[in-house]
Amino acid sequence: GAGVSQSPSNKVTEKGKDVELRCDPISGHTALYWYRQSLGQGLEFLIYFQGNSAPDKSGLPSDRFSAERTGGSVSTLTIQRTQQEDSAVYLCASSSLLRGLSEQYFGPGTRLTVT
Amino acid sequence: DAKTTQPNSMESNEEEPVHLPCNHSTISGTDYIHWYRQLPSQGPEYVIHGLTSNVNNRMASLAIAEDRKSSTLILHRATLRDAAVYYCILGGNQFYFGTGTSLTVIP
Repeated sequence: GAGVSQSPSNKVTEKGKDVELRCDPISGHTALYWYRQSLGQGLEFLIYFQGNSAPDKSGLPSDRFSAERTGGSVSTLTIQRTQQEDSAVYLCASSSLLRGLSEQYFGPGTRLTVT
Repeated sequence: DAKTTQPNSMESNEEEPVHLPCNHSTISGTDYIHWYRQLPSQGPEYVIHGLTSNVNNRMASLAIAEDRKSSTLILHRATLRDAAVYYCILGGNQFYFGTGTSLTVIP
């Protein structure tokens, strides 16, 4: 079946603009995760959803970052007033269970470049 | 969330076994041990996970210490396609990947 998809695959934006990144999880997966990966670095956890609910938003780097999930499916990560340090690959993953009881399936990522 | 410690890099000759270590001394009783790998320019890929007993699948084996404070991912015969960054993660509601071990496979 279809895997996790993300759009756009690449996004170049000017500093100060807002961007929206989209994630389509695998159908039926209740858990959804957002990470970001700066060049040459490991993955930084941002936020997870169980259904439409995000119980813990403490991983978001600043209040310019927000995320929502509707219908227990598609999720959008929004970055307001982008800064150059926001440049990274943003990865989305989904899994059928929470608490690490099943594997996460990752999308190909969105490469964000803030100029 | 509990943290893991892995060597920054390792090398292996092609077709030889590889043992990738991970220390997780602060693991809790309910944390699963997960391994993922990330090939260049790709998202991470699930490899294996376990709780207490050793686990085998088509990709690898996972050996878990009796006290669960360390584990080892075993690739039985390394191929060039196994060159990747390998992440050891303790599974909770959030996954902290750390910087992983960069595996180089030498032909």
